[in-house]
Parts: sequence; structure tokens; C-alpha cells
Amino acid sequence: QVQLVESGGGVVQPGGSLRLFCAASGFTFSNYGIHWVRQAPGKGLEWVAFIRYDGSNKYYADSVKGRFTISRDNSKNTLYLQMNSLRAEDTAVYYCAKEGGPGYCSSTSCRYFDYWGQGTLVTVSS
Amino acid sequence: DIQMTQSPPTLSASAGDRVTITCRASQSISSWLAWYQQKPGKAPKLLIYKASSLESGVPSRFSGSGSGTEFTLTISSLQPDDFATYYCQHYNIFSTFGQGTKVEI
Repeated sequence: QVQLVESGGGVVQPGGSLRLFCAASGFTFSNYGIHWVRQAPGKGLEWVAFIRYDGSNKYYADSVKGRFTISRDNSKNTLYLQMNSLRAEDTAVYYCAKEGGPGYCSSTSCRYFDYWGQGTLVTVSS
Repeated sequence: DIQMTQSPPTLSASAGDRVTITCRASQSISSWLAWYQQKPGKAPKLLIYKASSLESGVPSRFSGSGSGTEFTLTISSLQPDDFATYYCQHYNIFSTFGQGTKVEI
């Protein structure tokens, strides 16, 4: 069965860095685009970043552009989110989410999220 | 940027009720809309994609409709397991979520 398992969260001071991991199993990881989505405590969902199935294109929300970097290693079935210059407003549960559809998607039709991980909590505080 | 506005923010209902949640887009998004259910402490779960396509394994009491700028999620007969928060999502490379609708007793 499809599984996405996030790790790497924790407490970090403002201005610090953290690297999140998303380990995938149960599907052909290299065929699917993957997104990061976050949820601040008690708040709604916010899309953070997206990487195409082959890593050729990466996209970011304005709120994290220039500070966060999404990447993937298809040989290790792992997605990453490098977070630098962290701010208090980055405090949230971070989820990785797999896009839907049959794979090798290059269109809007598959950009919904059919599987999510359980999330990892990032707390930015002094 | 496209904004997604859900209503109502909170909905009080009873088991067996028919429930409708609305999501409006600030401009036309064709049918690129999904609905998710989220329970406290859990990840969101996909219910509907492409505005009206039911995800595999989701009970048929859930249905979605609409296109362009106005969309609805309907639960035909609310079950105890359905008390949760529901989010709409305009999906594209850059996704936008609605603010959520909490369905409570």
C-alpha cells in the first residue's frame, strides 16, 4: 500500500535551518510529482512546494520562495525540503502529498493529492 | 492569484442530515477542484477530484458538483464518522485551499 512517512521536524530558532524528509513506498516514486503542504496550529492548509516526477521543475509558494528548496532522490524513494532562514510563521505540521493520476503527469488533471503522509511538526521559536 | 472562499465556516448538523458546503473561486478554474476531509490530528483524505469524481473507496453519500467558479460538496445522509473539517482545493502547479468548513454536532 502507498505510504509516505515524513521526518526531520523539531524545534529550531528563528533564522535557523532544518531539513525535512519524506520516505515513499508502495508505488513507483519516480513516476509521480510530490508536493509539500503545511498547516499551522489550528489553521488551514497551505501549499508550500511541488517537484515534478523527474525533478526537472520545482515550484514554490511566495511565502517560502528563496528560503526553502524542494528536491528528490528517485534512487532512494525520498523527497526533501531544505528550510533556511526560518521564521516564527513557518511553525506548522508539514505534510508530503503524492499527486493523483496514472503517473508521468505533465498536466493539471493530476495535481490533486491522493495520498498524504502523517506529517512532521516544525516549531520555530527562541 | 486565485482565492478560494468556503462557506459556511462552521456547520451544525445531526446524523442523517443532508449537508452542503460551498466553495467559490475568485476566477474560473474549470473543474480543477478537489475536496478533502480532515479529522483532528490526522492528514487530509481525498474525497472528490475534478469537481465531481469520487475517489476510490469513498462512500457514495459524498458527491461534488460545479464548474467555473462555484462548487458544492454534498453529504446526502450525515454519518457519525463524517464529523470533521472539509477543505476545497483548486489544484494546478500552484494549489490554493479554502479556509475549511467544520461540520459539528
